[in-house]
Amino acid sequence: GEDVEQSLFLSVREGDSSVINCTYTDSSSTYLYWYKQEPGAGLQLLTYIFSNMDMKQDQRLTVLLNKKDKHLSLRIADTQTGDSAIYFCAESTDNNDMRFGAGTRLTVKP
Amino acid sequence: ETGVTQTPRHLVMGMTNKKSLKCEQHLGHNAMYWYKQSAKKPLELMFVYNFKEQTENNSVPSRFSPECPNSSHLFLHLHTLQPEDSALYLCASSGNTIYFGEGSWLTVV
Repeated sequence: GEDVEQSLFLSVREGDSSVINCTYTDSSSTYLYWYKQEPGAGLQLLTYIFSNMDMKQDQRLTVLLNKKDKHLSLRIADTQTGDSAIYFCAESTDNNDMRFGAGTRLTVKP
Repeated sequence: ETGVTQTPRHLVMGMTNKKSLKCEQHLGHNAMYWYKQSAKKPLELMFVYNFKEQTENNSVPSRFSPECPNSSHLFLHLHTLQPEDSALYLCASSGNTIYFGEGSWLTVV
């Protein structure tokens, strides 16, 4: 089947930038998403990007998409301790067929 | 607050118990989902309902039984579960984008 892969852990210092990477295999993906899960909570949609876009920026978040390499990244500028969470990459061809990665646990150290 | 509400948030049940998880959304969405989240594994899609009709069942064991009485409510009935079924069960609904509930933490003892 189609896969979404991301590294399980990332640790950064407060104030640094965080870059979370994701690769996927489905070349027909239409939408790509980043979700955030804080401890004890469900998944919160952070941002998404259409596959015909290369970049999307929203305040401290920058999403980069390399469709040729099927690589998606999420950059968090000026990372804060409140950004500590699990970040899930997901892709879909339509909303009924969504595939998630295993999540990257971001730890922000003071 | 995503507009998708799940109850209970935490549930501990024995292997011979019968319990149910409830999900409710008033976002006007017509599609609802159950996902299972286990540690260090990708989210697993369990069931999909569109307009109250089940459109997908990803080879989920029959000890999990979904019910969708209307477009706003989705249940997951649980019976004779196994310890390995302990996980976070996430409900979601979708219009243009999928919105998740906060999940129900299930522990089977």
